[in-house]
Amino acid sequence: EVQLVESGGGLVQPGGSLRLSCAASGFTFSNYWMHWVRQAPGKGLVWVSRIKTDGSSTSYADSVKGRFTISRDNAKNTLYLQMNSLRAEDTAVYYCAREAYGAFYWGQGTLVTVSS
Amino acid sequence: DIQMTQSPSSLSASVGDRVTITCRASQSISSYLNWYQQKPGKAPNLLISAASSLQSGAPSRFSGSGSGTDFTLRISSLQPEDFASYYCQQSYSTPLTFGGGTKVEIK
Repeated sequence: EVQLVESGGGLVQPGGSLRLSCAASGFTFSNYWMHWVRQAPGKGLVWVSRIKTDGSSTSYADSVKGRFTISRDNAKNTLYLQMNSLRAEDTAVYYCAREAYGAFYWGQGTLVTVSS
Repeated sequence: DIQMTQSPSSLSASVGDRVTITCRASQSISSYLNWYQQKPGKAPNLLISAASSLQSGAPSRFSGSGSGTDFTLRISSLQPEDFASYYCQQSYSTPLTFGGGTKVEIK
């Protein structure tokens, strides 16, 4: 069974940092592009970042470029999102997602709250 | 960036109704269009990929159509478990973008 389990969310002050993890199982992690997508409370889905199978290529939404870094450890079947200089508008549930032919299969999400 | 416009943003319908949700892209995306269902407090779930391919396990009352810029998600006979939010998403180019969502509520 395909599983994606996010962790690392929580309450952080503006300007702070947080690292999210996504543990993958039930499939060959190194064969798939992986993404982070977020959803602010009561709002829609917003793509954040993606990373190629071997980690050699990454992309970011303009809203997080220069502040967030996506990475992966294929030996540990884990995806990461390092989030720095956090802002109130980064408050959201963060989902990791496996991409297959452009479509996403999602984890259950982890809530990040940026507030003083 | 490709903008995805969904309509309506919400609708009220009864069990058994036929429901249609539309999604329009700001430029042609061929058939690189996916549909997701999301229930409150849960992660989105892929319903349809490549505009019209129903995912394994998704009920056959769901169907998708369209290409280029205009796409449609149809529910042939609304069931109680279909009351949820629905999102379209283009996978044609980065940044990957979603429609604003359609909330289907009970009339």
